[in-house]
Amino acid sequence: QLQLQESGPGLVKPSETLSLTCTVSGGSISSSFYYWGWIRQPPGKGLEWIGDIYYSGSTYHNPSLKSRVTISVDTSKNQLSLKLSSVTATDTAIYYCARRGSSSSRRYFDSWGQGTLVTVSS
Amino acid sequence: EIVLTQSPGTLSLSPGERATLSCRASQSVTSSYLAWYQQKPGQAPRLLIYGASSRATGIPDRFSGSGSGTDFTLTISRLEPEDFAVYYCQQYDSSPWTFGQGTKVEIK
Repeated sequence: QLQLQESGPGLVKPSETLSLTCTVSGGSISSSFYYWGWIRQPPGKGLEWIGDIYYSGSTYHNPSLKSRVTISVDTSKNQLSLKLSSVTATDTAIYYCARRGSSSSRRYFDSWGQGTLVTVSS
Repeated sequence: EIVLTQSPGTLSLSPGERATLSCRASQSVTSSYLAWYQQKPGQAPRLLIYGASSRATGIPDRFSGSGSGTDFTLTISRLEPEDFAVYYCQQYDSSPWTFGQGTKVEIK
């Protein structure tokens, strides 16, 4: 059974870089059928897609965050990572990693991690 | 960017009643590339519907999706206690993938 598990610091200072890792188990991140992405949710608010990555390194990004976002993949560890630079309080959110299909008809998110809360505060 | 607007913001219903949730897109979502998710407090979203009308694996048949173009609907035929949650639509027609702001289905 596929499992995604986010990990990383729960508290980040303003202007610093948020770094998270998602470990995939029960499936290969190198599958040609899937992209792996990050989605966030500020407390009590809705969902915002951050970006996706393919095992080859090909990425899609949300333009609203693109200049601050780096998404990478480590196929040897079956992990993907997120770095968000120059954070402010508005970046406080639950960060989810999720899997979506690679074909156009399957680009919905069919598997999600449990999420990790990151608070930006000094 | 395709903006999705969900209505109503909150739906107050009793168990056994029918729930009808709307999702309207700012431009046509081609090929009905629209999904619905359910989120309960403290949990990650769960995929319910994809392709506007196809149920995901393990989703009960009381959940159904319909629509095309710019107007989509999620219907829960008879609400069970476990269905009270927040529901989001999401389009995957064009990047950036976007979500609606959510509809909360609460117990009346």
